[in-house]
Amino acid sequence: AQSVSQHNHHVILSEAASLELGCNYSYGGTVNLFWYVQYPGQHLQLLLKYFSGDPLVKGIKGFEAEFIKSKFSFNLRKPSVQWSDTAEYFCAVIPEYGNKLVFGAGTILRVKS
Amino acid sequence: KAGVTQTPRYLIKTRGQQVTLSCSPISGHRSVSWYQQTPGQGLQFLFEYFSETQRNKGNFPGRFSGRQFSNSRSEMNVSTLELGDSALYLCASSLGSSGRAYNEQFFGPGTRLTVL
Repeated sequence: AQSVSQHNHHVILSEAASLELGCNYSYGGTVNLFWYVQYPGQHLQLLLKYFSGDPLVKGIKGFEAEFIKSKFSFNLRKPSVQWSDTAEYFCAVIPEYGNKLVFGAGTILRVKS
Repeated sequence: KAGVTQTPRYLIKTRGQQVTLSCSPISGHRSVSWYQQTPGQGLQFLFEYFSETQRNKGNFPGRFSGRQFSNSRSEMNVSTLELGDSALYLCASSLGSSGRAYNEQFFGPGTRLTVL
C-alpha cells in the first residue's frame, strides 16, 4: 500500500523567510499528487496539484511544488512567507487510477510577524 | 458554485449512541468520499460512494457505514459510539469515479464529533 511521509511536523519561520516542506511517497507507478492547506478553523483547501507534464507546478498564493520522480518527492516551496500562511499543510498521493487519497501526517507552519 | 456542505458542524454524543452525518457535494459531482481526521492518526480514508454504491472502504470497523442517495448526497453513520470516535469527519466530492475526475477532491468544512 502506498504511504506518504512529510519530513517536518512543526516549522516556525519569520515573515519573508523562504519555505520548503518535504514530501516523499512510496508507490512505483504513476501517481497524482496534491498539496492541501488547512488554515485555523477552516476546511481543507487545494493548494496545487500534479497530474502530468511540467514537474514544476504553481498553485495559489505564490506556492509551487516540484515533482521529482526519481526521488519519489513532491516538495512544496514558497520564496517569501507571510503571517497569513500560518496553517497546516498536507501532502496527498493517489495512484493515477487508484481508489483512495493517502495523506501525509501534516506539517504545522507558524509564521512569526 | 457552492462548495461541499456538511451538517451538522458540531455534535456531542455519549458512548453507545449512534450518529448520522450528512454531506452535500458540489453540484454535478457524483463521487463522495469520507475521511476521519484526528491529531494522532491524521487523515484516514473511510469509504467512497459513486452512483449510490460503495466502491471503496478503508480499515474501519463495521460500526462505520454510509450511503448515497440518487442526488449524490451522502450520509455517514456511526453506531455504538466509542470515545476514540471523537474526530473531525470530512467529506470530499469529486466529478467522477476514476482518474483525474476522481482524484481531485474538494473538501467540506467537516463535522466535529465529540464522544463523552
